[in-house]
Amino acid sequence: SSELTQPPSVSVSPGQTARITCSGDSLPRRYAYWYQQRPGQAPALLIYKDTERSSGIPERISGSKSGTTLTLTINGAQAEDEADYYCQSSDYSGNYMVFGGGTRLTVL
Amino acid sequence: EVQVVESGGQLVRPGGSLRLSCVGSGFTFGDHWMNWVRQAPGKGLEWVASIKQDESEKLYVDSVKGRFTISRDNAKNSLYLQMHGLRDSDMAVYYCARGGPYLLGYGMDVWGPGTTVTVSS
Repeated sequence: SSELTQPPSVSVSPGQTARITCSGDSLPRRYAYWYQQRPGQAPALLIYKDTERSSGIPERISGSKSGTTLTLTINGAQAEDEADYYCQSSDYSGNYMVFGGGTRLTVL
Repeated sequence: EVQVVESGGQLVRPGGSLRLSCVGSGFTFGDHWMNWVRQAPGKGLEWVASIKQDESEKLYVDSVKGRFTISRDNAKNSLYLQMHGLRDSDMAVYYCARGGPYLLGYGMDVWGPGTTVTVSS
């Protein structure tokens, strides 16, 4: 398996830019994804193939990757962005999926 | 509307068995990889298993290998997870999630509301 490491929490003021990172040794060789999970809800796909926005996701949400670090950027953070965010990828073989531990974003 | 809905979660004793089901609608079920993902109370997401469209490939997290079996019936638009030897650590909300036409590159883009498995004596 391959581990993905995320900070447990990130805080940002309304209107500011939030950046959530995810690091893992397999990331340079494997696609990665971001999911948002609001309290009491199922996860929802935000980003696929490292940088592609899923259907209906606003342009103020973007993904990037550099080496072993994946970054989710939320511009103009709003109260509705308060949620848990998870990165996901696969190991070197591509046969084992893994999620990061999750990051709780607080907008206050 | 594209959706998946899970069922089958319930209270089960340690060592017991349970079969979860997931029904998809609004899309061609047989065109997609399908996945099970779980979330223990207050914890993060954990991938459990994935299955290819024709069942020729089945992938599992190490902790469930030999105890859980993923399967599907495309004619019924259904995905299953047969669980044996349940442990306390298997207690979680289990989500069914749609994958893409290939295992990698598409992510899990449709999720069900989840079904709760409680393991307790």
